[in-house]
Amino acid sequence: EPEVTQTPSHQVTQMGQEVILRCVPISNHLYFYWYRQILGQKVEFLVSFYNNEISEKSEIFDDQFSVERPDGSNFTLKIRSTKLEDSAMYFCASSDNVGTQYFGPGTRLTVL
Amino acid sequence: GENVEQHPSTLSVQEGDSAVIKCTYSDSASNYFPWYKQELGKGPQLIIDIRSNVGEKKDQRIAVTLNKTAKHFSLHITETQPEDSAVYFCAASISGGSNYKLTFGKGTLLTVNP
Repeated sequence: EPEVTQTPSHQVTQMGQEVILRCVPISNHLYFYWYRQILGQKVEFLVSFYNNEISEKSEIFDDQFSVERPDGSNFTLKIRSTKLEDSAMYFCASSDNVGTQYFGPGTRLTVL
Repeated sequence: GENVEQHPSTLSVQEGDSAVIKCTYSDSASNYFPWYKQELGKGPQLIIDIRSNVGEKKDQRIAVTLNKTAKHFSLHITETQPEDSAVYFCAASISGGSNYKLTFGKGTLLTVNP
């Protein structure tokens, strides 16, 4: 069964450093998403991406965040200058054209 | 924007009993309602979903009901087993266009006691 994959599984970084989280969506999906989940809290929408552009972003997704689909398979989330409050699980998801979303296993980001 | 409320936050049942988790949503334009199961340290796993043109959907021991008028939907798990223990999230979305972003509830920690 096709699945969304994410790397790395755990990323530790110093405050102010840049991080790139990587995702490989399901191959025939056209819609891509990033969500985050602070420990013990609900999953929050960050950004959606379709047709090589952002279709919607949340208030959390400020100028420090960017997304890219550099080739036909990868989808990345970059945080330019990490803050302590960026520590969370980051989930990538992809969906088909009827909106059914499948999530990856997540990347745990720890900012020290 | 959409707001999804989920109750209860924790639920403990005996193996073999039924479990019911309820969610309400605020945006009447929402038309897609998935449920996800999240085990410790893992990503949300889709277990069942329902669209607004359907009132009920069942898949083996799991069923979801939707009341569009009242803007609420529920997850029903029958004959619970210890492996059903996890956090369950409901979500709502407006399906269509170029974006299907999900708005999640706060989750329900289900514990099935053997």
